[in-house]
Formats: sequence, structure tokens, C-alpha cells
Amino acid sequence: QLVLTQSPSASASLGASVKLTCTLSSGHSSFAIAWHQRQSEKGPRFLMKVNSDGSHNKGDGIPDRFSGSSSGAERYLAISSLQSEDEADYYCQTWGTGIRVFGGGTKLTVL
Amino acid sequence: EVQLVESGGGLVQPGGSLRLSCAASGFTYSNYRMTWVRQAPGKGLEWVSYISSSSSTMYYADSVKGRFTISRDNAKDSLFLQMNSLRADDTAVYYCAREGFGESHVDVWGRGTTVTVSS
Repeated sequence: QLVLTQSPSASASLGASVKLTCTLSSGHSSFAIAWHQRQSEKGPRFLMKVNSDGSHNKGDGIPDRFSGSSSGAERYLAISSLQSEDEADYYCQTWGTGIRVFGGGTKLTVL
Repeated sequence: EVQLVESGGGLVQPGGSLRLSCAASGFTYSNYRMTWVRQAPGKGLEWVSYISSSSSTMYYADSVKGRFTISRDNAKDSLFLQMNSLRADDTAVYYCAREGFGESHVDVWGRGTTVTVSS
């Protein structure tokens, strides 16, 4: 079964860096994922696609502070120079034939 | 500007029906696969349904299979979700979303429309 696992919460200080993790279920470690951000009271926004080789393709207008990487079944979203507007929920998404799957989301708090 | 605007949400009683619409603009709609995603209060994003660019293929989450029907009108740049036999756990914000060209992930989101199922 295709499942994505994310930690429910993360926190980091203003100006610091943070790395969020999305883990693919067993047998799916070659799958690509996408990262989405949902700020409070706003619709979600696509951030980037992260491939199994660690390459990533960002959406239009996504700052260089956001980057993606991979290791095995884990896919990462790194945010540097944290700003207050980065406080949001972050979701990973993957897909298979006939199915689309979202992780449970990570709530990022900027201290 | 690429834009997706949902409409049709509202309050409906359990067992009732509702039809959501999504108006697309700023891109060649007929070239793109589309999807509906929802978020229940206090919960995460949940994929609901997918439709191919030509309407030849539709997929549904198990939670809505047999009750919801996705459709599109490429002549009117519109996406629809017919929701029947609504239950309290269908209460959510429903997002219309575009999948990237040649991709299977969402690359453009709408702002959402709220559906509340309650007596």
C-alpha cells in the first residue's frame, strides 16, 4: 500500500534552517514526491517535485531558500533563512496508477 | 495568470447532493489532467478524484467511490464534482487542482469551496 509518513510538527527559529521529512512506504522507495505548502487561511501552493535521485523541480516563484533532496525512501524539504511567512503546514504527495496520496502533513512553527 | 476558482459549496443535509464547479483560466485547460482534493476541519489534505484531459479515465478515493462523480467540459474550461449521498464526514474545504503537464502531481491549486454536511 502506497503511504507517505510525515512528522506532525517541527519548529525552528527565525533566520535558521529546517529540514522536513516525508517517508515512502516499503516497496515504493523509487517514487517521486511533490511538496506543497498551506499557509493559514490560504489555499495550498505547490513548492517542488523531488525525484528519487534527489533532483528537484520548483514551482514558479518559489524562493531559492527552498530546496529538495532524497535518501532511500526519504524525501526532504529544506528551508533556509526561515521567515515568519514560512510558518505553515507542509504536505508531501505521491502517485501511482489510479491513485494519488498525500502525507499527513507537518505543521512548521517559526519561533 | 493561471487561475482555478471553485464554487457550489454550501450547507447540505446528510443524504443530500451538491455539485461543485471549478472555472479554469490562464492556460489551455483541455491539455491538463485535473483533480479534486479536500481538507476536513483539523485534518490534512485528502485526494478525492482525478480525471484525464479527455475524460477517458477517472479515479476515485475509496471514501467517495460510488457516491461522487467527476466530470469536465473542455469547451467551457470547467471541472465538476457531483456529490451524492453526502455524509457528515464529507464536510471539508474542496480544492480544484491542476496536475502538471505530463506530470501526476498538483502544480496549481484553487482557493477552495466549503461543503458542510449537517442537519
